[in-house]
Amino acid sequence: NAGVTQTPKFQVLKTGQSMTLQCAQDMNHNSMYWYRQDPGMGLRLIYYSASEGTTDKGEVPNGYNVSRLNKREFSLRLESAAPSQTSVYFCASYSQGTGNTIYFGEGSWLTVV
Amino acid sequence: DAKTTQPTSMDCAEGRAANLPCNHSTISGNEYVYWYRQIHSQGPQYIIHGLKNNETNEMASLIITEDRKSSTLILPHATLRDTAVYYCIVSPQGAQKLVFGQGTRLTINP
Repeated sequence: NAGVTQTPKFQVLKTGQSMTLQCAQDMNHNSMYWYRQDPGMGLRLIYYSASEGTTDKGEVPNGYNVSRLNKREFSLRLESAAPSQTSVYFCASYSQGTGNTIYFGEGSWLTVV
Repeated sequence: DAKTTQPTSMDCAEGRAANLPCNHSTISGNEYVYWYRQIHSQGPQYIIHGLKNNETNEMASLIITEDRKSSTLILPHATLRDTAVYYCIVSPQGAQKLVFGQGTRLTINP
């Protein structure tokens, strides 16, 4: 998973608190993604960014906001965390020139109590 | 994007070939078949992809039926480290959205 870095790796929040998950990639990829994965489930797309300056909703965008700060960085913000947002969050990046391979970060474990 | 159907779980003996099926009967002409796997709670890892022809790389082989409505991922000599959840995805090349399903939980038994 070298190339996509997520922070923090672990976080515990209280209901109603806000936080931002940071993601950076050093592969000069155009597209970046945020997924969430609940226990025993597949990955679900929250938001994606096809290029710097653009963002689009995925399957489960409610309760989240994103910012594509520059080509390298794509952040995910929880404005008012809810227990239903307890999940593992994965950032990913992609560029067509890479043989259509999506590269994932190591994941961020978020617990909302 | 076309939906895929995979078995929920499969078992395979170590050293044998693991054959993972995927149905994608609504695939359209410009959609590729991609396979990823996820070991434990790590980020998914790319395995292989193809359009029409069978493909092989150092990790696996991908067999796509002539009508492209189904495919099989083959791990030729499965090891314990191949125990993972395997995801079959269909999507146009260069697609901005890659939607994962539930995948197949493959367990390699000693």
